[in-house]
Amino acid sequence: EAQVTQNPRYLITVTGKKLTVTCSQNMNHEYMSWYRQDPGLGLRQIYYSMNVEVTDKGDVPEGYKVSRKEKRNFPLILESPSPNQTSLYFCASSLSWINTEAFFGQGTRLTVV
Amino acid sequence: DQQVKQNSPSLSVQEGRISILNCDYTNSMFDYFLWYKKYPAEGPTFLISISSIKDKNEDGRFTVFLNKSAKHLSLHIVPSQPGDSAVYFCAASKPNSGYALNFGKGTSLLVTP
Repeated sequence: EAQVTQNPRYLITVTGKKLTVTCSQNMNHEYMSWYRQDPGLGLRQIYYSMNVEVTDKGDVPEGYKVSRKEKRNFPLILESPSPNQTSLYFCASSLSWINTEAFFGQGTRLTVV
Repeated sequence: DQQVKQNSPSLSVQEGRISILNCDYTNSMFDYFLWYKKYPAEGPTFLISISSIKDKNEDGRFTVFLNKSAKHLSLHIVPSQPGDSAVYFCAASKPNSGYALNFGKGTSLLVTP
């Protein structure tokens, strides 16, 4: 089954404790991205990757890092989480950077206290 | 600033009737538009898209209309079914930006029996 898998689904952490949210896709997609969803703001792109070792900032990259060492995985790293990063996070992938019909993961609800 | 706007946070429609969800955009560089549907506790799923070279695209009960001069698109669902109850996000993308998806804030559709 074609899917985008995020882990964990739910996470509560404390300010400053480094964490990683993993994202994996099994569709051999080139393009992957991370979004956060906040009430009243919709989904906003954090980072994207057009292919292995090619990443770039989206609209709200501050406080986040990503890496794309292999095609299927695109982890989101919060080096020093802060309460304003409490949000619902979605990973997405699509066939290529010009094909924007993205498949989304089920989301990771992160709470930073 | 929000470049894709969905001004109706919610919409209620009777089963069997037409649902019309609206979306406006401000950036004339957008050349590809998509609608996503989201159920609670799930990631958004792709519904239908339209290129800026078209003014209509149809897929079963779903039709998207694009009015480039008005920078407006709409999603028509005919006939509406209770299973269509979800949050609908309008999204737009443009070249030379990694084709990042710019999302609206969403419209919550409730289809009542």
